Amino acid sequence: DAKTTQPTSMDCAEGRAANLPCNHSTISGNEYVYWYRQIHSQGPQYIIHGLKNNETNEMASLIITEDRKSSTLILPHATLRDTAVYYCIVRGPRNTPLVFGKGTRLSVIA
Amino acid sequence: SAVISQKPSRDICQRGTSLTIQCQVDSQVTMMFWYRQQPGQSLTLIATANQGSEATYESGFVIDKFPISRPNLTFSTLTVSNMSPEDSSIYLCSVVWTGLEQFFGPGTRLTVL
Repeated sequence: DAKTTQPTSMDCAEGRAANLPCNHSTISGNEYVYWYRQIHSQGPQYIIHGLKNNETNEMASLIITEDRKSSTLILPHATLRDTAVYYCIVRGPRNTPLVFGKGTRLSVIA
Repeated sequence: SAVISQKPSRDICQRGTSLTIQCQVDSQVTMMFWYRQQPGQSLTLIATANQGSEATYESGFVIDKFPISRPNLTFSTLTVSNMSPEDSSIYLCSVVWTGLEQFFGPGTRLTVL
């Protein structure tokens, strides 16, 4: 079963920052937080992952609370092409498969 | 990162028939997985494809229905056997890269009539 809770859907204005929350209150010390997105029936696309420190890459930033019980994915300047389902996933040891929850459907509006 | 291709990209099949989906990776990878995504749903893990041994299936999936082969570290097949309309889904191959990152193929969209 998925170990995360996400809102079902969110809207964001084009050009604004999209902040997607995720709760993972039962996360263990050695588990990572991963974010993926799926654009209409394509294969899921890796965005970012982190353990306890905040992370940033060319796509997004990941903010993890100090107690690690929640995190936020930030898309700094959302575009229409960012419209997708975003999955927050807690993952354990290396080489274990991702277990997907229902995700958040983000709609970026012009 | 690993580049994954799947064949076919889509197919329409008659009930009672079988379809074999191929997954090819451009690099050798240890872990390969097969997922199913039913219409409007999230992804569900079917099995782990083990190189040189039988696949490891998740609860609710059985080898007779979804036989899997993994002859080497870059290739795997998933067969959907004796299909029914309920098997209409997107089937996705996935690999773990560097132990932490997991990548997905483009998927095979199956429609069973």
